[in-house]
Amino acid sequence: QKEVEQNSGPLSVPEGAIASLNCTYSDRGSQSFFWYRQYSGKSPELIMFIYSNGDKEDGRFTAQLNKASQYVSLLIRDSQPSDSATYLCAVLSNDYKLSFGAGTTVTVRA
Amino acid sequence: ETGVTQSPTHLIKTRGQQVTLRCSSQSGHNTVSWYQQALGQGPQFIFQYYREEENGRGNFPPRFSGLQFPNYSSELNVNALELDDSALYLCASSPGWGANTQYFGPGTRLTVL
Repeated sequence: QKEVEQNSGPLSVPEGAIASLNCTYSDRGSQSFFWYRQYSGKSPELIMFIYSNGDKEDGRFTAQLNKASQYVSLLIRDSQPSDSATYLCAVLSNDYKLSFGAGTTVTVRA
Repeated sequence: ETGVTQSPTHLIKTRGQQVTLRCSSQSGHNTVSWYQQALGQGPQFIFQYYREEENGRGNFPPRFSGLQFPNYSSELNVNALELDDSALYLCASSPGWGANTQYFGPGTRLTVL
């Protein structure tokens, strides 16, 4: 079983719609969770982090965490063409190792 | 931009050669982590350095080694290069041991022929 799994893409959404990205993790002791955005040919860029169960909102992005279900999600509201990228879910284990999922590629259609 | 820099940007080597990649961490950050990202995959943790000591290691063979210097810059060395070592190598810095948020540099694209 992979440590971090993301829903397979690619995900195509129309401009202005909500993009929903999902992630599950295997280490129940994990405490910190991150979403990175990676444009083609570029390095990952941190967009959100969440530590506590529930929702965390930052602009058009909302991260949701459910530790009991070992599930993290990211919602992108009012999707823009500039949101087209690969989104990486990352989980920090108790030994401070950051594990990444394979990523979900999002395409926003104008 | 995160303030993390890496050099070189691109590198081409042949099998069996050795390579050294370099990373300068963001100002005020004393922890550096290295990742390997193969095409279409997420980054894979190689190791982490905190105040010049290796602080954790992923599932990579000993031919992957590193250093951190007193100014917190870091090197990744790979010996006996294999074709599968072709990847984007990413350095990330954070402001302390176990600090949660890591900021990535632009990466070094290594091609092994």
